[in-house]
Amino acid sequence: AQTVTQSQPEMSVQEAETVTLSCTYDTSESDYYLFWYKQPPSRQMILVIRQEAYKQQNATENRFSVNFQKAAKSFSLKISDSQLGDAAMYFCARYSGGGADGLTFGKGTHLIIQP
Amino acid sequence: KAGVTQTPRYLIKTRGQQVTLSCSPISGHRSVSWYQQTPGQGLQFLFEYFSETQRNKGNFPGRFSGRQFSNSRSEMNVSTLELGDSALYLCASSPRDRGYPYEQYFGPGTRLTVT
Repeated sequence: AQTVTQSQPEMSVQEAETVTLSCTYDTSESDYYLFWYKQPPSRQMILVIRQEAYKQQNATENRFSVNFQKAAKSFSLKISDSQLGDAAMYFCARYSGGGADGLTFGKGTHLIIQP
Repeated sequence: KAGVTQTPRYLIKTRGQQVTLSCSPISGHRSVSWYQQTPGQGLQFLFEYFSETQRNKGNFPGRFSGRQFSNSRSEMNVSTLELGDSALYLCASSPRDRGYPYEQYFGPGTRLTVT
């Protein structure tokens, strides 16, 4: 099975600091999409950012940016100026192969924001 | 636009019973996907419907089924419930068309407890 791996079960960061969440993935496809989703305690999955594999430029959404290393199959999320509201589970996900497997998710990283 | 809605939000069933969960996608979205989230297995893809047709299916037994109506609303059904079916069931909609995956927007989920 083609997998998505998040090696950090939990991360902690001080408010206003920067944190990077890691994600690696496995795929044999050339056309695929990568996403970061946030799931706060409410359990509502919220899309944070997306990256098309064919784009070399790293995606950015306000305080959130990614470091996409296609050859290394790495897709990390950087959160700048961390805020208390950023505390949540963060899931990395891959969509490929025409969606035969839907979104394939990693196990998640629990992000704690220290005030 | 209103977000993805799911009903009911919470459900308690007994082993052997069946259950139907409902999902209304974002207006204009024609693709609806279902996911199961458990502490042990994480997020797993169940199936995707597009224009009333099942496009993709995950690795779940035949007890899990679904359908999509002409207004894009979707239902999933689980027959002969087992204790292991206790999970958060998430529905996601997407403007997916002509093979483009686009991002998926999630509903709040239905928490199913099987006793």
